[in-house]
Amino acid sequence: GQQVMQIPQYQHVQEGEDFTTYCNSSTTLSNIQWYKQRPGGHPVFLIQLVKSGEVKKQKRLTFQFGEAKKNSSLHITATQTTDVGTYFCAGPSGSRLTFGEGTQLTVNP
Amino acid sequence: NAGVTQTPKFQVLKTGQSMTLQCAQDMNHEYMSWYRQDPGMGLRLIHYSVGAGITDQGEVPNGYNVSRSTTEDFPLRLLSAAPSQTSVYFCASSPRRGDYYEQYFGPGTRLTVT
Repeated sequence: GQQVMQIPQYQHVQEGEDFTTYCNSSTTLSNIQWYKQRPGGHPVFLIQLVKSGEVKKQKRLTFQFGEAKKNSSLHITATQTTDVGTYFCAGPSGSRLTFGEGTQLTVNP
Repeated sequence: NAGVTQTPKFQVLKTGQSMTLQCAQDMNHEYMSWYRQDPGMGLRLIHYSVGAGITDQGEVPNGYNVSRSTTEDFPLRLLSAAPSQTSVYFCASSPRRGDYYEQYFGPGTRLTVT
């Protein structure tokens, strides 16, 4: 079935540095969603991208959907300790959602 | 609204025991699903339901049963617990199709099988 691959698996940054995680699919996606999971918590929806080449911003977070709708990225500018957690992308597979393995972000103060 | 609730929060089972993880949502969502989360493996879909009376298998359904007799409830049954089922289990719901709408997750059940 449809799989979304996410890299890197882990990322350690100093507070203030930027961070990017990438999501790739072998097939065209109708949409892609991003979630954040804080340590010990549950995944929380961040955003959905639907259009080819779409770019959306949420404060320091920038989300992009590739022109071919096969890849996506999440970029965080000037990370803060509150950004710590695991970021997941998720793409459709039939009538359900398939999650990437996630990128675990740690931020050193 | 309480959103998606799960009980229990923690559970320890012995190998071979059975139990039911409860999940309920009060948002009148059609779609509900169960995931398990293991370190380094993301969220893997166990079973899902597109509406009351309809269930289907996900990626890792073996050893688990589900039913959906009402819109609100979607219990997950472990038939004969095995150590490989030690994991964190999340229930999620969305308004309609699971592939397109935002998923709302419950707080999770942390299960240990000894």
